[in-house]
Amino acid sequence: DTGVSQDPRHKITKRGQNVTFRCDPISEHNRLYWYRQTLGQGPEFLTYFQNEAQLEKSRLLSDRFSAERPKGSFSTLEIQRTEQGDSAMYLCASSGTRNTEAFFGQGTRLTVV
Amino acid sequence: AQTVTQSQPEMSVQEAETVTLSCTYDTSENNYYLFWYKQPPSRQMILVIRQEAYKQQNATENRFSVNFQKAAKSFSLKISDSQLGDTAMYFCAFMNRDTDKLIFGTGTRLQV
Repeated sequence: DTGVSQDPRHKITKRGQNVTFRCDPISEHNRLYWYRQTLGQGPEFLTYFQNEAQLEKSRLLSDRFSAERPKGSFSTLEIQRTEQGDSAMYLCASSGTRNTEAFFGQGTRLTVV
Repeated sequence: AQTVTQSQPEMSVQEAETVTLSCTYDTSENNYYLFWYKQPPSRQMILVIRQEAYKQQNATENRFSVNFQKAAKSFSLKISDSQLGDTAMYFCAFMNRDTDKLIFGTGTRLQV
């Protein structure tokens, strides 16, 4: 499978715990995006990388959120001190060059209890 | 700031019939892209069709076509000969050519 893969697919965590998600983009893609999707809503942009550089962060990304893409390949999204409001689907997407199709992974569904 | 509005939360259509999903957007930009994405139940989002704002000709992809009205800031999706596999959430999305991030509408759930 050469598509975008995300791990884990599902995560249940207790409030206050830290969680980390991983995204592996399509291998030749240099752009990687994170989105958050809550029930009944469209995905909302969180942040994106070009290679290893984080070029933009949404105001939705509070100080408890951090994303990295250390070698310009896979990316991680960490949420510290999770809150119930963090419960959502976290989607990763990648694209090859500017303004071309973004390919999405299947997402990581986070439930904070 | 750009916004995308999908005013139809749910739609249904009979197999083999045609359905049109509505989308309006607001932007002050002149160069941008518009997309329709499909999200089947429990499956990943896939691109259905894209439109470049500088192109006047409406995009078509097999059974899928758009009606792009730039002045009215309207971007509707027409699905012809609807099939059971078309059942999904459909999201309209805007992308500014400078930022590359997608701004999505709230989606339309289509049941065939």
